[in-house]
Amino acid sequence: QQPVQSPQAVILREGEDAVINCSSSKALYSVHWYRQKHGEAPVFLMILLKGGEQKGHDKISASFNEKKQQSSLYLTASQLSYSGTYFCGTPYGGATNKLIFGTGTLLAVQP
Amino acid sequence: EADIYQTPRYLVIGTGKKITLECSQTMGHDKMYWYQQDPGMELHLIHYSYGVNSTEKGDLSSESTVSRIRTEHFPLTLESARPSHTSQYLCASSDRASSGANVLTFGAGSRLTVL
Repeated sequence: QQPVQSPQAVILREGEDAVINCSSSKALYSVHWYRQKHGEAPVFLMILLKGGEQKGHDKISASFNEKKQQSSLYLTASQLSYSGTYFCGTPYGGATNKLIFGTGTLLAVQP
Repeated sequence: EADIYQTPRYLVIGTGKKITLECSQTMGHDKMYWYQQDPGMELHLIHYSYGVNSTEKGDLSSESTVSRIRTEHFPLTLESARPSHTSQYLCASSDRASSGANVLTFGAGSRLTVL
C-alpha cells in the first residue's frame, strides 16, 4: 500500500512557505523525496535514513518521524522554480530495494 | 554525466500491436525499474530487476513483460496493446550510495497511446 501525501495540491505566492506530508500505514525504514516538473522526469531531492533525522539544502528541508510513520517536506520562501509534483518514496517491505512512491502533491508557485 | 535513455519518447499505435519500450543506462547500475504514471500523476512500480536474469513484478499488476539480458538494457514489452495500456512509462536505475540507500535516476519517459 502506497504512502498517502497531503495536501494533494497547493498554490503559493513566491516567498510563501509550504509543508507536504507523507504518511504510511506500514513501518517506514527510510524516506526519499523527489520532485517532478511538468513534462520532465522525477529528480531526487533528499533521503532520510533514520527516525528523527532532518535534512535540508537551499530552502528545502525534510524531517522523518519513524514512530508516527511519517515524513514532512518543508519549502521555505518558495521560488517559481519550486513548482512541480513532489513525491515521497519508501522501500517496499522495508528490506527490499523496490521504491514505492506516495500519492504525490502538486505545488504551484505563482509570481 | 550519467544517463538513462528511453525510446521512443512518444508512440501512438493501434490495438493489438506488439510494442517494446527500450531503456538503457550507462552508469553500470545493477538495479533497474519500470514505473507507470497516468495523468492523475501517481507513480506505480510495475517491474523491477536486481541484475542480469533477475526480474520481479512490482506493486501494480501489469500485462507487460520485461527482460534483463545485459546490465545496461531493460526493455518492456506489450504483446498485444490495448487502450487501457495508454500511459507514460518511466524507466529508472539505481546503485547503492555511500549512505546505503538506493537513489533512483529516471529516464525521460515513454508516452504510449493505444487507439
